Amino acid sequence: EAGVAQSPRYKIIEKRQSVAFWCNPISGHATLYWYQQILGQGPKLLIQFQNNGVVDDSQLPKDRFSAERLKGVDSTLKIQPAKLEDSAVYLCATGDYGDRAYEQYFGPGTRLTVT
Amino acid sequence: SQQGEEDPQALSIQEGENATMNCSYKTSINNLQWYRQNSGRGLVHLILIRSNEREKHSGRLRVTLDTSKKSSSLLITASRAADTASYFCATSYSGNTPLVFGKGTRLSVIA
Repeated sequence: EAGVAQSPRYKIIEKRQSVAFWCNPISGHATLYWYQQILGQGPKLLIQFQNNGVVDDSQLPKDRFSAERLKGVDSTLKIQPAKLEDSAVYLCATGDYGDRAYEQYFGPGTRLTVT
Repeated sequence: SQQGEEDPQALSIQEGENATMNCSYKTSINNLQWYRQNSGRGLVHLILIRSNEREKHSGRLRVTLDTSKKSSSLLITASRAADTASYFCATSYSGNTPLVFGKGTRLSVIA
């Protein structure tokens, strides 16, 4: 099966600019997560969707970050305006809680550099 | 906040040796998972162990879980250069909840 797709793979922007990331999940996966991974650390959850509804966005900096999941399939994560500390890899993951319960499938990530 | 803490932070071994990584966590869990991340790439799921299990095997991987000590270990036997990567433990309260990751162990396998 095709994996989780993310684009772009790399992005360099200046602080205060805006940026958007896109994620296409594995077909049929209802749950979608966005994680932020700062260099040298493990991924940290930003937001979780179930179909097109938000389940958990408690750790999303809502003053600058926003996310949506259109029709319960693709998702976009936006940062506006970006800060230097937003430099990180943004990982999209999806889950299928059927036969392979609990396992999450990760995309390759988008590496963001804010200068 | 990080739930798990891996130990050691970095590990360097010769090809053919075994590598052991440990993970400690803070709260009750439903399951614990180990992931591998190669430089500049996404995470790959390695193995999942549920809270009512004590040991699982998958190929050259062996995972143990001690819920009384809130700790887990990952053993990679007969390591290969291709095993060079960062390894993360991640915990979950239930099947559909986000994973909470540790900071990872960077494993270097020298040929």
